[in-house]
Amino acid sequence: RKEVEQDPGPFNVPEGATVAFNCTYSNSASQSFFWYRQDCRKEPKLLMSVYSSGNEDGRFTAQLNRASQYISLLIRDSKLSDSATYLCVVNSASNTGKLIFGQGTTLQVKP
Amino acid sequence: DAGVTQSPTHLIKTRGQQVTLRCSPKSGHDTVSWYQQALGQGPQFIFQYYEEEERQRGNFPDRFSGHQFPNYSSELNVNALLLGDSALYLCASSLATGGSFFGQGTRLTVV
Repeated sequence: RKEVEQDPGPFNVPEGATVAFNCTYSNSASQSFFWYRQDCRKEPKLLMSVYSSGNEDGRFTAQLNRASQYISLLIRDSKLSDSATYLCVVNSASNTGKLIFGQGTTLQVKP
Repeated sequence: DAGVTQSPTHLIKTRGQQVTLRCSPKSGHDTVSWYQQALGQGPQFIFQYYEEEERQRGNFPDRFSGHQFPNYSSELNVNALLLGDSALYLCASSLATGGSFFGQGTRLTVV
């Protein structure tokens, strides 16, 4: 079983749609959680950290459920520029900066 | 303030050869981690350096080795290259704990 699991998609949605991505992780001792965005042939870039209380950054909302070991990302009012791969990332139990990535979920927003 | 920089950006090597990739971390960051990203997959952790020592290692063979210098820059060395080593190699820098920032990567092709 992979340590971090994501549905690879692709998710094809029209502009303006709301889309949700989910992710599960296996290590209950994991310390911190992130969503990264990766454009084609580019490096991953931090989109947002994920907290148990839930956090929002503009059109993006992230949620963590530690009991279910489940992380989510909600994108509202999708833009063409949101097309990318979204990587669910968990910091290892030792919280030393080792990141464990999911496979990534590909989003394609169409006009 | 320069972010994480990697060199070279692209590289083609022959099976059996050796390669060295370089990384300069973001200013003020003391920890460097290396990741391998195969096509269609999330990045996989290779190892992490802190205070010039390898602090953690992922599930990669001994052909993969590294070094960190007193100025925190780092090298990744891969010996006896295999076709399967073809990937995007990413360097990430961080403080001892905290979010990681990625360089643009080195795309290695082994022929």
